[in-house]
Amino acid sequence: DSGVTQTPKHLITATGQRVTLRCSPRSGDLSVYWYQQSLDQGLQFLIQYYNGEERAKGNILERFSAQQFPDLHSELNLSSLELGDSALYFCASSAGNRDGEQYFGPGTRLTVT
Amino acid sequence: AQKVTQAQTEISVVEKEDVTLDCVYETRDTTYYLFWYKQPPSGELVFLIRRNSFDEQNEISGRYSWNFQKSTSSFNFTITASQVVDSAVYFCALRGTGRRALTFGSGTRLQVQP
Repeated sequence: DSGVTQTPKHLITATGQRVTLRCSPRSGDLSVYWYQQSLDQGLQFLIQYYNGEERAKGNILERFSAQQFPDLHSELNLSSLELGDSALYFCASSAGNRDGEQYFGPGTRLTVT
Repeated sequence: AQKVTQAQTEISVVEKEDVTLDCVYETRDTTYYLFWYKQPPSGELVFLIRRNSFDEQNEISGRYSWNFQKSTSSFNFTITASQVVDSAVYFCALRGTGRRALTFGSGTRLQVQP
């Protein structure tokens, strides 16, 4: 158990819908990262927050957004969902802004039908 | 740009065999970190090791060992006396100093047959 929690574990929704994925980092970690794992793209970095502020952006679509709240939990919002958004979404946390290991949560499997 | 290549898509071995998973990386950063993660069938990503680019010492942890060679830009992972529980997808990853995101390889699926 990495100490990172993600809810829900599974999510099935229809095209065009909007969903919110939630992540709670390990106790004491200030950074939260979101990654997407799909069959065709592999594991890709989406976005990072550190202590409530966005710090880095990767291949995140404009239909996707995220935020980190004062209690350090983070939410990833996916809207206008398409079939191609079906993937495993991971949240990871680390203690610092740049360094250290990233510990991953169990992931949320999103299926868009 | 950073890139991680895991040329072995799938490896199948019989229990108790030794197996080496290859990882080759590209980066222009002078200092960087290399990682290995394990993804068992249950789906979570489990951190195994982090290695700094300025530390080329090999590392051994139980049945696991890692061989970092800067000259060949490789960071290979060996499992000695493999077990069925080692069956998983293994990912090599890279992060340059000053960068925040991990760049992952495409993964190697290891199947250990009893």
